[in-house]
Amino acid sequence: DTGVSQDPRHKITKRGQNVTFRCDPISEHNRLYWYRQTLGQGPEFLTYFQNEAQLEKSRLLSDRFSAERPKGSFSTLEIQRTEQGDSAMYLCASSGGPSGRAYNEQFFGPGTRLTVL
Amino acid sequence: AQSVSQHNHHVILSEAASLELGCNYSYGGTVNLFWYVQYPGQHLQLLLKYFSGDPLVKGIKGFEAEFIKSKFSFNLRKPSVQWSDTAEYFCAVILTGGFKTIFGAGTRLFVKA
Repeated sequence: DTGVSQDPRHKITKRGQNVTFRCDPISEHNRLYWYRQTLGQGPEFLTYFQNEAQLEKSRLLSDRFSAERPKGSFSTLEIQRTEQGDSAMYLCASSGGPSGRAYNEQFFGPGTRLTVL
Repeated sequence: AQSVSQHNHHVILSEAASLELGCNYSYGGTVNLFWYVQYPGQHLQLLLKYFSGDPLVKGIKGFEAEFIKSKFSFNLRKPSVQWSDTAEYFCAVILTGGFKTIFGAGTRLFVKA
């Protein structure tokens, strides 16, 4: 399968714990996005990478959230000191295409469902 | 604040009925527009996109959308729906030159066989 993969698919944690999610984009894609989706809502933009550079981060993201893409390939999203309000589906997407055009088709992964007890 | 509005949260249609799902956005600049679909148990996938040129764009599975700049709208249409079109549909916008994608809340379509 050459699509976007995410790990784990489900995570249950207790409030206050740290969690880390991984995203493996389509191998030739240089752009990677993280989103959060809650019930009844569309995906909410969290952050964007072009290669290893984090070019945009939503102001909705608190200091507890951090994302990395150290070698421009896979990415991790870490949430520190989780809160019940962090419970959501975390989606990763990747895209490729001509440099400078961020508005190409995004290919989405299956998501990681986080439940904070 | 920049936003994308989808007017109908739930739509129920019978097979062969025509479909139109509304999408309006609140950006003032040049935008790039998308419709994504999520079939039950599957990932989000692209239906169609508009960057420039002909405001009527055609996508997969017989879907089309029309960009009306004066109305800040990008409505999705299909002349005759099938049971297999049952899914959730999301409208999305990126400002030209930007990276942040804004999605609408989605419309759940149920097509009765």
